Amino acid sequence: DAMVIQNPRYQVTQFGKPVTLSCSQTLNHNVMYWYQQKSSQAPKLLFHYYDKDFNNEADTPDNFQSRRPNTSFCFLDIRSPGLGDAAMYLCATSRARESYDEQFFGPGTRLTVL
Amino acid sequence: GENVEQHPSTLSVQEGDSAVIKCTYSDSASNYFPWYKQELGKGPQLIIDIRSNVGEKKDQRIAVTLNKTAKHFSLHITETQPEDSAVYFCAARMDSSYKLIFGSGTRLLVRP
Repeated sequence: DAMVIQNPRYQVTQFGKPVTLSCSQTLNHNVMYWYQQKSSQAPKLLFHYYDKDFNNEADTPDNFQSRRPNTSFCFLDIRSPGLGDAAMYLCATSRARESYDEQFFGPGTRLTVL
Repeated sequence: GENVEQHPSTLSVQEGDSAVIKCTYSDSASNYFPWYKQELGKGPQLIIDIRSNVGEKKDQRIAVTLNKTAKHFSLHITETQPEDSAVYFCAARMDSSYKLIFGSGTRLLVRP
């Protein structure tokens, strides 16, 4: 089945220690998104790639970076995680960026910062 | 910018009863309204969506209604089952926009 895969499902890191989260997709979609979801809150868009074009949201901290080496993979890098960065990180994809294009979400990676 | 408000924040119903979740949006340019179901420890999954040129859409036990004049849309779940228990998010997106604006979520509990 075509899907969005996130690894690892659970990640524990130390305060200030860089961490990378991974997302892959078999849908061959052009767009890949990264969301941050804190407990009992709605997902918050951090940034997205449209093909190789990176689009950052205005309020995304500089501590968060992303890489998309090819169509299938996208990475979220947190350069110096703080306690406030503990959250569920969701990857999503869509065929295009048109308003009717469905976004398909992965299962998420739960990040714990010690 | 667009803002989406969702009510109630929690909803408890008896199995077999109906559940209704309501959302309002602020920008009349919004034209796509998906509903997502998020189970514990999982990512959101699209369960139904509606476009602005349609007033109602139904898929088995789930239906969504849209009132463009009032700028609100609702999710209706009939004959609820325990497996319907989850957090439900509404969202809105404007024409030619990539960005989904989510509501704050409703935690639905279906009591057996």
